[in-house]
Amino acid sequence: EAQVTQNPRYLITVTGKKLTVTCSQNMNHEYMSWYRQDPGLGLRQIYYSMNVEVTDKGDVPEGYKVSRKEKRNFPLILESPSPNQTSLYFCASRHGTGTNEQFFGPGTRLTVL
Amino acid sequence: KNQVEQSPQSLIILEGKNCTLQCNYTVSPFSNLRWYKQDTGRGPVSLTIMTFSENTKSNGRYTATLDADTKQSSLHITASQLSDSASYICVVRVRGGYNKLIFGAGTRLAVHP
Repeated sequence: EAQVTQNPRYLITVTGKKLTVTCSQNMNHEYMSWYRQDPGLGLRQIYYSMNVEVTDKGDVPEGYKVSRKEKRNFPLILESPSPNQTSLYFCASRHGTGTNEQFFGPGTRLTVL
Repeated sequence: KNQVEQSPQSLIILEGKNCTLQCNYTVSPFSNLRWYKQDTGRGPVSLTIMTFSENTKSNGRYTATLDADTKQSSLHITASQLSDSASYICVVRVRGGYNKLIFGAGTRLAVHP
């Protein structure tokens, strides 16, 4: 089944404790992105990657890191989480050409205390 | 500035009734416009895609329209069902380069029995 998977789905952590949210897609998509979704603000892009070893900042990159060492994986790293990073996070992937339909993962709900 | 605005922010209707959601955009150069449905706690899923030359496109009980001159789109839901309760997100793709996606904040629809 074609899908984007994220882990964990739910995470409660404390300020300053490094964490990684994994993302994997099995559709051979070139583009991958991370978004956060907060009430009333819609989806905001954190980082994106156009291919292996190619990453760039989105609209709200502060406090986040990413890497793209393999085409299928795009982990999101919070080196020192803070309470304002409490949010619902989505990973997404799409082809670089064609209609660009974006496929989203199931989401990771992160709470930073 | 590229922006997508949706209205209303939220909407409550009775089961079986029709409703129309609006999307206005100021995105240039325009490539295409998608409507996504997002069930609570899950990732968005594409409903329809509209390109510059298309005026209307249907997907079951969902009908999207696009007026490229006025930069407006609408999503009409016919004979609503309880399962239509979700957020509906309008997303416009910028033509060229990375093909950036501009997200609206969404309309939250609640269908009551």
